[in-house]
Amino acid sequence: GQQLNQSPQSMFIQEGEDVSMNCTSSSIFNTWLWYKQDPGEGPVLLIALYKAGELTSNGRLTAQFGITRKDSFLNISASIPSDVGIYFCAGRTGGGSYIPTFGRGTSLIVHP
Amino acid sequence: DGGITQSPKYLFRKEGQNVTLSCEQNLNHDAMYWYRQDPGQGLRLIYYSQIVNDFQKGDIAEGYSVSREKKESFPLTVTSAQKNPTAFYLCASSTRLATWNEQFFGPGTRLTVL
Repeated sequence: GQQLNQSPQSMFIQEGEDVSMNCTSSSIFNTWLWYKQDPGEGPVLLIALYKAGELTSNGRLTAQFGITRKDSFLNISASIPSDVGIYFCAGRTGGGSYIPTFGRGTSLIVHP
Repeated sequence: DGGITQSPKYLFRKEGQNVTLSCEQNLNHDAMYWYRQDPGQGLRLIYYSQIVNDFQKGDIAEGYSVSREKKESFPLTVTSAQKNPTAFYLCASSTRLATWNEQFFGPGTRLTVL
């Protein structure tokens, strides 16, 4: 199956700092999604990317679909305490494989 | 309001007992999924269903069983054959599997086997 590496595994930052995380794949993906999971809850979709090179924002969040189609990045600007949670990337290769592959997640802790 | 419900939120069982986790959705979605989440492991697919009375094994189906008798419901049974059943279980649904639209997740059930 596809391998999807997400990094960093965890981040401890001060409120107000910017955050960057990324996912890389061993295969070419045609769709990337970024989810956030609050403690004890299910993941919620943040941003969806469908085209190589695409840059999409959702408030303080910005995600990009890498040109090589093997990676994606998520940036959070001016972090706040409620940004705490686990961020997952997920991707789909297409070509008949409709089940998404999930990264292992980036755990974000924001100190006030 | 439309959404996915999972019950119960917390579940405790003795080793060797089968247990069934409930998942219901009123989003009129065709596809439903079960994932298992362990710390640092991300989400691993157990089973998925594209349509009523049809389901397929995911990456870690051993020790689990499902049924899809109704469009709204996709219960997961954790059998005694599952060697390490303690985990957080997430159910999800989407409009159609073939187009892989956004998956909506339920709040999860945390199963602890004593």
